[in-house]
Amino acid sequence: GESVGLHLPTLSVQEGDNSIINCAYSNSASDYFIWYKQESGKGPQFIIDIRSNMDKRQGQRVTVLLNKTVKHLSLQIAATQPGDSAVYFCAENNGDSWGKLQFGAGTQVVVTP
Amino acid sequence: SQTIHQWPATLVQPVGSPLSLECTVEGTSNPNLYWYRQAAGRGLQLLFYSVGIGQISSEVPQNLSASRPQDRQFILSSKKLLLSDSGFYLCASSQGANYNSPLHFGNGTRLTVT
Repeated sequence: GESVGLHLPTLSVQEGDNSIINCAYSNSASDYFIWYKQESGKGPQFIIDIRSNMDKRQGQRVTVLLNKTVKHLSLQIAATQPGDSAVYFCAENNGDSWGKLQFGAGTQVVVTP
Repeated sequence: SQTIHQWPATLVQPVGSPLSLECTVEGTSNPNLYWYRQAAGRGLQLLFYSVGIGQISSEVPQNLSASRPQDRQFILSSKKLLLSDSGFYLCASSQGANYNSPLHFGNGTRLTVT
């Protein structure tokens, strides 16, 4: 079946460096994508979203890139801080506009001093 | 902005006992509501979603049920818990219907069935 997946289960980043988290998706019907951050014991926190009519979107210290040709999504975090340590999930809508998201397995980001 | 309240934060229940987890939403009206389950170290699996009072759709066959007695109240229940029901249960909310908007999550209930 079609699914969302992540290339790297764990990413170790030095404080101050930029982080790049990658996500592959295989459902060509997906037209809405979201990145979430989840800290231990808490619910996922919305970071940024992007629709399929865009290939780049920027927020505060974060940028999401969407490459529909190769079905690839990435999250870039600038100047990574200790507070960025968390599990990051990408999610896609499978073409469903009613908010039923399919989540990837997650990437653990560890920020080292 | 939306705020999702879930309780309790943690729960330990014996096999065969009933379950009732409650979720309430503030800051929006007529939201779509969702129950997700997250196994340890894994992604999120959608269990139920609701687009209005009394309207429940189930995504996977299971030992659980959901109800929406009020616009901003969503309840997850079971008559008899199984060991496999252990997990982290998350309630989520999104705006309206028929257009994409991000889901906002509560802080979850960690259920351990013993």
